[in-house]
Amino acid sequence: IAGITQAPTSQILAAGRRMTLRCTQDMRHNAMYWYRQDLGLGLRLIHYSNTAGTTGKGEVPDGYSVSRANTDDFPLTLASAVPSQTSVYFCASSESGGATGELFFGEGSRLTVL
Amino acid sequence: GQNIDQPTEMTATEGAIVQINCTYQTSGFNGLFWYQQHAGEAPTFLSYNVLDGLEEKGRFSSFLSRSKGYSYLLLKELQMKDSASYLCAVRDSNYQLIWGAGTKLIIKP
Repeated sequence: IAGITQAPTSQILAAGRRMTLRCTQDMRHNAMYWYRQDLGLGLRLIHYSNTAGTTGKGEVPDGYSVSRANTDDFPLTLASAVPSQTSVYFCASSESGGATGELFFGEGSRLTVL
Repeated sequence: GQNIDQPTEMTATEGAIVQINCTYQTSGFNGLFWYQQHAGEAPTFLSYNVLDGLEEKGRFSSFLSRSKGYSYLLLKELQMKDSASYLCAVRDSNYQLIWGAGTKLIIKP
């Protein structure tokens, strides 16, 4: 069982370039999320999707966009990368309506913007 | 504003017991989570509390007091593999998760 797969695992990117981080899950979870994790800060929600075809903005959405064309895939796009977007990005999913709403995370994508 | 506070770092000895505290101030409350995150890896779910009291799961227990806005994670019989960061998160009235910055636990032999 793969769970959640993220790609790439690591990337160095020049400022101003466009970048898409891919996320695929095989658990048929309705809800999916993108977080960024920076040293000394808690996980911060960028965008989320409660079900295929819908998306919503999280705490730090500026500079990022997402789409949810189907249940399994939830790509995150940086239209024009800036150095402040250097971070570790985690994709996560959860069963909506589940008792605990436990999140399942991918292994993360480490992005460096120069 | 919403806030989750937990110690930045703690050190404990193999075989001992350690308690990691978490205090929160959020807009509403719909459950508190603890996650474990080893360095360079993804967070993994440890526990969930929505009612006051203690939830025990093997060597790990989690306690909640909603009136005090307080939780702790108790780890018994510490093993070297328990060296990790422990993340506290609260689900608010909008069912969004608010995360603490995490507590880095260092286990010494």
